[in-house]
Amino acid sequence: QSALTQPRSVSGSPGQSVTISCTGTSSDVGAYKYVSWYQLHPGKAPKLMIYDVSKRPSGVPDRFSGSKSGNTASLTISGLQADDEADYYCCSYAGSYTLVVFGGGTKLTVL
Amino acid sequence: EVQLLESGGDLVQPGGSLRLSCAASGFTFSTYAMSWVRRAPGKGLEWVATISGSGGTTFSADSVKGRFTFSRDNSKNTMFLQMNTLRADDTAVYYCAKNLVPWAYCGGDCYIFDSWGQGTLVTVSS
Repeated sequence: QSALTQPRSVSGSPGQSVTISCTGTSSDVGAYKYVSWYQLHPGKAPKLMIYDVSKRPSGVPDRFSGSKSGNTASLTISGLQADDEADYYCCSYAGSYTLVVFGGGTKLTVL
Repeated sequence: EVQLLESGGDLVQPGGSLRLSCAASGFTFSTYAMSWVRRAPGKGLEWVATISGSGGTTFSADSVKGRFTFSRDNSKNTMFLQMNTLRADDTAVYYCAKNLVPWAYCGGDCYIFDSWGQGTLVTVSS
């Protein structure tokens, strides 16, 4: 069982928006701004999409946005495209003992 | 362009050993901590370990403590993962990843991974 809870799957049609939630605790997501999101396409290297809750690395479209409220972080993808279909994982710093926790992953299907 | 290439994955029997390598290019290797993350079949990502830029400090998950060791050769821009006493639940794709922030400046943001390799498959089975 993963430390952070994500929905197993979400779906949306091209052009729509979807939001993936990531629920942790006051010891990880709720305590730190170091939440990141990763995109995994089969057979490809994982890709950092969001870091520090809401920052986008260079090259990531602004259709991808991140936010946090309390113990729950969210990744929103607007203007869905076929290539957005992938698995998405959240990750959070969890303090000096546990260090890093991941979510169980969410499969995004573009209908 | 940052490139990371893992190698060494194989089929190994329970109790056996395996050594993975991660060859890096496109950045000043010694400046950055590097990490291993794995993904077991049908499961999510799991952080395995992070090694400092010099290699003098490592942090690892409880699930691998005492069995896995981590090292790097900065003269060869390569990181290593030595896996001993392997178990079936170590079966996974192992990714190496570059940490976002230079080791000298990082805190909680030490565990944000901005570049990843494509992974190497380790299968532990008799």
